[in-house]
Amino acid sequence: VIWMTQSPSLLSASTGDRVTISCRMSQGISSYLAWYQQKPGKAPELLIYAASTLQSGVPSRFSGSGSGTDFTLTISCLQSEDFATYYCQQYYSFPPTFGGGTKVEIK
Amino acid sequence: QVQLQESGPGLVKPSQTLSLTCTVSGGSISSGSYYWSWIRQPAGKGLEWIGRIYTSGSTNYNPSLKSRVTISVDTSKNQFSLKLSSVTAADTAVYYCARARPVTMIEDYWGQGTLVTVSS
Repeated sequence: VIWMTQSPSLLSASTGDRVTISCRMSQGISSYLAWYQQKPGKAPELLIYAASTLQSGVPSRFSGSGSGTDFTLTISCLQSEDFATYYCQQYYSFPPTFGGGTKVEIK
Repeated sequence: QVQLQESGPGLVKPSQTLSLTCTVSGGSISSGSYYWSWIRQPAGKGLEWIGRIYTSGSTNYNPSLKSRVTISVDTSKNQFSLKLSSVTAADTAVYYCARARPVTMIEDYWGQGTLVTVSS
């Protein structure tokens, strides 16, 4: 099983801020990483796959980078609708696993 | 656009079997070489991948749950189902069904989720 460390677990930010979320793997996974956004009471929504490919319909202020063991999700200019919890998921190794989540809250 | 909807009992007694169904609309469950997954999330916690099925009936289960999980598909009804046996309070969670893409098997469309509570 691949262990994932997502940080920070809580991020306080203001509208307009640039925010970054980190996801670190216990072993290399090439670029087999996805990012999801989850709002309270809702299902997760796919934002990014293959570490840096934006899912159709996702705003361009979201971007992903990294390969191997270290990955980053960046929101370039935080909007009010972006306050949510974000999860990384690796799909390189079976079973697929998720990071612990990063809650982005209003500062 | 594909839509998924979970259904089933919201309360299950300890030691019994949890049974949920996911109904797929907006497209045939048999088309496009997709896989169909179950994921769960205990309240206030992270996501746990349970397993998936291909329309041929081929399945993959999380080793941590494999001894208790069965996923099946009914293409005539455009549905797939989850059974989890010998449940305990630790199985209390929101259960999501999702569509997983061919090759990568990333879950790209999810149902809204359904809360299942295990309690006597």
